[in-house]
Amino acid sequence: EVQLVESGGGLVQPGGSLRLSCAASGFTFRSQAMGWVRQTPGKGLEWVSWISGLSRGGENWSYEDSVKGRFTISRDNFKNTVYLQMNSLRAEDTSRYYCARATSTNYFDLWGQGILVTVSS
Amino acid sequence: EIVLTQSPATLSLSPGERATLSCRASQSVSSSLAWYQQKPGQAPRLLIYDASNRATGIPARFSGSGSGTDFTLTISSLEPEDFAVYYCQHCSSWPLTFGGGTKVEIK
Repeated sequence: EVQLVESGGGLVQPGGSLRLSCAASGFTFRSQAMGWVRQTPGKGLEWVSWISGLSRGGENWSYEDSVKGRFTISRDNFKNTVYLQMNSLRAEDTSRYYCARATSTNYFDLWGQGILVTVSS
Repeated sequence: EIVLTQSPATLSLSPGERATLSCRASQSVSSSLAWYQQKPGQAPRLLIYDASNRATGIPARFSGSGSGTDFTLTISSLEPEDFAVYYCQHCSSWPLTFGGGTKVEIK
């Protein structure tokens, strides 16, 4: 079955860290770019980060400005998993985080069910 | 950053009616625009990419049009399962951004 399954969310104090994981199955993971998109409860969607698939040009990344320097996206093509390491977390990072598969033109054509991250003391 | 503005915020219609949703970009995104549908408690689903191409498995009643800065998603005849929130997203440049959404609700 083609799917993405996120894990690693939960409650963390401001300034703390959390690592989200997204396990992919049912497609050739290594060749696909992947991304993270978040959604504050009751609000809209916000793109967070993107990582390229395996290519001759090597690995590339991109981040939304508010998470640059705090979040790091990475992937393990042997485990078919993409990660989002989140450091220096702030209250405004509280959201449901979705893992999504990116097409060659960076649309998101497959989404996980999402995982909730709550930053609160 | 390219800002996407969706209108209206809410569209109240009856099943069988035609829905027309708008997405306006703050600068040209050429045809690099997608539409997503999100139902309560679910992840978004890709409907339209490259402004006018239906994604796999999307019914023909969904159509997209436009280029540059003005885009439209049309649902020709609303089915009960189409009442949801719809988002546009551009991929013309970094950062990728989404519009604020249009909620299509039952009148």
